[in-house]
Amino acid sequence: EDQVTQSPEALRLQEGESSSLNCSYTVSGLRGLFWYRQDPGKGPEFLFTLYSAGEEKEKERLKATLTKKESFLHITAPKPEDSATYLCAVQARDFGNEKLTFGTGTRLTIIP
Amino acid sequence: DTEVTQTPKHLVMGMTNKKSLKCEQHMGHRAMYWYKQKAKKPPELMFVYSYEKLSINESVPSRFSPECPNSSLLNLHLHALQPEDSALYLCASSQDGFTPQHFGDGTRLSIL
Repeated sequence: EDQVTQSPEALRLQEGESSSLNCSYTVSGLRGLFWYRQDPGKGPEFLFTLYSAGEEKEKERLKATLTKKESFLHITAPKPEDSATYLCAVQARDFGNEKLTFGTGTRLTIIP
Repeated sequence: DTEVTQTPKHLVMGMTNKKSLKCEQHMGHRAMYWYKQKAKKPPELMFVYSYEKLSINESVPSRFSPECPNSSLLNLHLHALQPEDSALYLCASSQDGFTPQHFGDGTRLSIL
């Protein structure tokens, strides 16, 4: 069974204080790993897809990396508007399996 | 603004009522999804439609009935719901089931 574990559960940072969120996964053949951001009362907003170990993607203050066992979401010099829950999800390579398995998320709070 | 539109945004219903949730996308995506999300939990997959055919039903109770009238529209018909069904119901779409899923902002459902 596919599993995704995110840590920490919650993280409070001062504005400008860089840090990383972790997503550890076990999956029977990875098709893709996805990062989403979710604001309270809203749907998840797609950030990145990573397909193979060594791949990296960047967007503004966020950078996602992937190894064979985990992914990191690095946040550099965060601002208060980066406060949100960050969700990681994996999709297995099984033919016909469109299902995403989500982690429980990291609630990130950036203090001005 | 999300490209997946869900209506209504909020719904309060009694346990004997019948209501429907609606989801629409005009991105030409051929896979559409219903998720249920409880507070501080990740989204849980309910149903997947691929090319307008139901491809995944995650053992959802029959009081939830999905319908895909065409490639742009997805409905979720609700009947005789229980208080524990109160949650945020999210719709998502993806180009072919194996590309990133894009979410709507959900319908907040409360069962009295």
